[in-house]
Order: sequence, then C-alpha cells, then structure tokens
Amino acid sequence: GNSVTQMEGPVTLSEEAFLTINCTYTATGYPSLFWYVQYPGEGLQLLLKATKADDKGSNKGFEATYRKETTSFHLEKGSVQVSDSAVYFCALESYNTDKLIFGTGTRLQVFP
Amino acid sequence: KAGVTQTPRYLIKTRGQQVTLSCSPISGHRSVSWYQQTPGQGLQFLFEYFSETQRNKGNFPGRFSGRQFSNSRSEMNVSTLELGDSALYLCASSPGSREGQPQHFGDGTRLSIL
Repeated sequence: GNSVTQMEGPVTLSEEAFLTINCTYTATGYPSLFWYVQYPGEGLQLLLKATKADDKGSNKGFEATYRKETTSFHLEKGSVQVSDSAVYFCALESYNTDKLIFGTGTRLQVFP
Repeated sequence: KAGVTQTPRYLIKTRGQQVTLSCSPISGHRSVSWYQQTPGQGLQFLFEYFSETQRNKGNFPGRFSGRQFSNSRSEMNVSTLELGDSALYLCASSPGSREGQPQHFGDGTRLSIL
C-alpha cells in the first residue's frame, strides 16, 4: 500500500543554519505530495504542495521538489529561524481520493 | 475567510461513555475528513464525507462513526470509549474536487479517557 517515510527527529539546528528533512514515499499512480507543519497545541498548517513530477512547492523560504525517479520530496530551507521550531509532516494523497497518508513527523528545534 | 472550526477543544470522558465531536468546514468546502493523532500511531485517517455521504473510510472499528449535514458541517461519534481512544482528533476540509487541492485543518479536539 501507499506509505511515507520521514527521517527521525529531533533535528536540532542553530539559527541561520541550512535545513533538510528527508521524505520518501511509496505509491501507485501519481499522488500529490504535501508538507504540513504543526506548532504546539495547534492543528496542521499546509506549508507547501506539489501535484506532479518535477513540481517545486515553496512557501516562507521552504522548498521541496517532487522527484518521481527517487520517489522523494525532501524539505529544505536555506536559513532557519527560532520561529521555525515545530513538527513537520510529509504526506501524500493518492490520485482521486481525499485521504492523506502521513509520515511520522520530524521535530525541528532551532536555537538562537 | 474563517478557517476550520472544531468544538469542543478539550473533552474528558470515562471508559464506556460515548462522545460527539463537531467540525465546521471552510465556507464552500464540501469535503470533510477526520484524522486521529496519537504519539504511538501518528496521524491516521478515519473517514471522509462529501455531500452527506461517506466517500472513504480508514481502518478503525465500527465504534467510530460520522455524518455530514446539508451545510457540510460534520460530526464524529465514538461509542463505548476505551483508554486507547485518547487522542487529538483533527478535522480537515477541502473543496472535494480531488484535483490535488490541499486539505485545511482545524486545531483539533483533544479527547482524554479516564
């Protein structure tokens, strides 16, 4: 079946460091891919999305590219801030469904 | 535009009781999905409703049920509560066109079973 694998956390970085959170997926067909972020005590906020191969999603300095050849959707940011500290979830949505399959989440901690 | 609203934010129940959670989607959204979030199992899909009909269902026991009203608002019911049902229950809405439109989440209802 469809699945998403994320790198284990926590990821601990100093402010202005480069961030990469790895995400790979297994899916039949052509899923849409998403990154969501969850701050303490809140629900999930959409960070970015990509709906087809080679699409690049971007938002608030974060980027991820839909790589079909490596079945990956790695999240990157060139310079993290303390306010980026949160849990990040990679997710896929199978074609023609509204069902999201999530990875286990990666906690990011950024220190000043 | 108002976001997805879930009520109540917190609930405390005891084993064997039942509970009903409510979700109001973003105006114009016709699809509502429910997810359970726990530290052990992560985020798991419960079910999706579209135009008052269940369109997709996850692997949860029949104690978990839901419905959707004509105004797209949705309720989720859990009967005969068990300790393992303690979780954050998240509702998400989307237009429902299934064209890669993202789902938008509420802040969740945290259910604690004593």
